[in-house]
Amino acid sequence: NASVTQTPKFQVLKTGQSMTLQCAQDMNHNSMYWYRQDPGMGLRLIYYSASEGTTDKGEVPNGYNVSRLNKREFSLRLESAAPSQTSVYFCASSYRDGNTIYFGEGSWLTVV
Amino acid sequence: QQQVKQSPQSLIVQKGGIPIINCAYENTAFDYFPWYQQFPGKGPALLIAIRPDVSEKKEGRFTISFNKSAKQFSLHIMDSQPGDSATYFCAATLFGNEKLTFGTGTRLTIIP
Repeated sequence: NASVTQTPKFQVLKTGQSMTLQCAQDMNHNSMYWYRQDPGMGLRLIYYSASEGTTDKGEVPNGYNVSRLNKREFSLRLESAAPSQTSVYFCASSYRDGNTIYFGEGSWLTVV
Repeated sequence: QQQVKQSPQSLIVQKGGIPIINCAYENTAFDYFPWYQQFPGKGPALLIAIRPDVSEKKEGRFTISFNKSAKQFSLHIMDSQPGDSATYFCAATLFGNEKLTFGTGTRLTIIP
């Protein structure tokens, strides 16, 4: 089955530590996204990539960096984690029209 | 900036009832309105979508009603079942635009 795979599923970090969330899709999609989901806030776009080698800031990019390694992979890096970055992170992908966005199963990140 | 307002935040309905979730948008240029369904521990998945050239769209037990003049749209679930218990997100964008603006989500519980 076609899918968006993200790792790790769960992670606990100490304030100031760094980590990278990995994401890969096997649907040959051009566009990839990183969202965060917080209670009462819905899904907020962190970063977006329309194609390999291009990235664009979303609604809440501060404290994050991304890398579109190739067409399949899009990683999200926290350079110096803060408690405010405790959240569930979703990677997603779509064809360029964006009419259907396919989400991964999420990565639960806790920063203590 | 919250451009899509969703209500209620949570909803409990008895089996067989018709839960209704409402969304209002601000940007009059938006012309694509999808709904996503998210089960616990999973990523959101596209449920149904509408464009403003029609006032209603049905897919099985799910119906979107759209009121362009009021800038509102809603999701109705006919003959609701416990298996419909999930979080529902409305969203809006320009058709073909890859960046969706999501509502804050509604946690729906269908009790037997």
